[in-house]
Amino acid sequence: AQSVSQHNHHVILSEAASLELGCNYSYGGTVNLFWYVQYPGQHLQLLLKYFSGDPLVKGIKGFEAEFIKSKFSFNLRKPSVQWSDTAEYFCAVNKGSSNTGKLIFGQGTTLQVKP
Amino acid sequence: DVKVTQSSRYLVKRTGEKVFLECVQDMDHENMFWYRQDPGLGLRLIYFSYDVKMKEKGDIPEGYSVSREKKERFSLILESASTNQTSMYLCASTPGGRMAYEQYFGPGTRLTVT
Repeated sequence: AQSVSQHNHHVILSEAASLELGCNYSYGGTVNLFWYVQYPGQHLQLLLKYFSGDPLVKGIKGFEAEFIKSKFSFNLRKPSVQWSDTAEYFCAVNKGSSNTGKLIFGQGTTLQVKP
Repeated sequence: DVKVTQSSRYLVKRTGEKVFLECVQDMDHENMFWYRQDPGLGLRLIYFSYDVKMKEKGDIPEGYSVSREKKERFSLILESASTNQTSMYLCASTPGGRMAYEQYFGPGTRLTVT
C-alpha cells in the first residue's frame, strides 16, 4: 500500500536555527507533493506544492522543499525559523494520474520554536 | 476567498447516539473529503465524494457513512457513536478533473464521545 512517512514526530528548535523536516513516500509513479501546516487553533493550509519542473519549490513564509525522485523524498526546509513557525506540519502525496485530488498524508511533525 | 465551513467546532455525544457532521463549501468543487486527525497518526481518509450522490470509501470507513445530496454539502454520519470515534474531524474540498490539486480544509469539529 502507498504510504507517506515523516521521520520526525516532534522537533524543538530555538529561533534562528535551521529546519529540515523529512518526508518519504512509497508510490513509484508520477506524484504530486504537498506540505501543509496547521498553526495552533487554525485551519490546515497549504505551505507549498510540487507538480513538475524545478524540483526545488518555494512556498509561503520562507519555506522551501526539494523533490528528490531517486530517494522518493520531499523534505521541507527553512534557513532560520521564527517563534511564529510553531505548528504541526504534514507532508502529503497524490498520484499524478488522479483527478479526485485524493491525498495520502504523513503522520505529521510538531515543531516547537523557543523564543 | 475559498471557504469550507463545518457545522460545529466542538461536539459532545453519548455512546450509541447517531451523529451528523456537516460540511459546506462555496467554491463549486466536485471533490469533497472527510478525514479524522489523531495525534501521531496524521490525517486518515474516511470517505470521499467526487460528485453528487457518488462516494468512495477511504482508508477507515468502518462505523461511518456519508451523504452528498447537493454539490456544496457533504455530511459524515456516525450511525452509533463509540468512544473510539472521539477525534478531530476535518472536511476538505478540491476541484475535479486534471486540475485537482491542493485541498481546502474546514476548521474541524472536535468530537468527544462519552
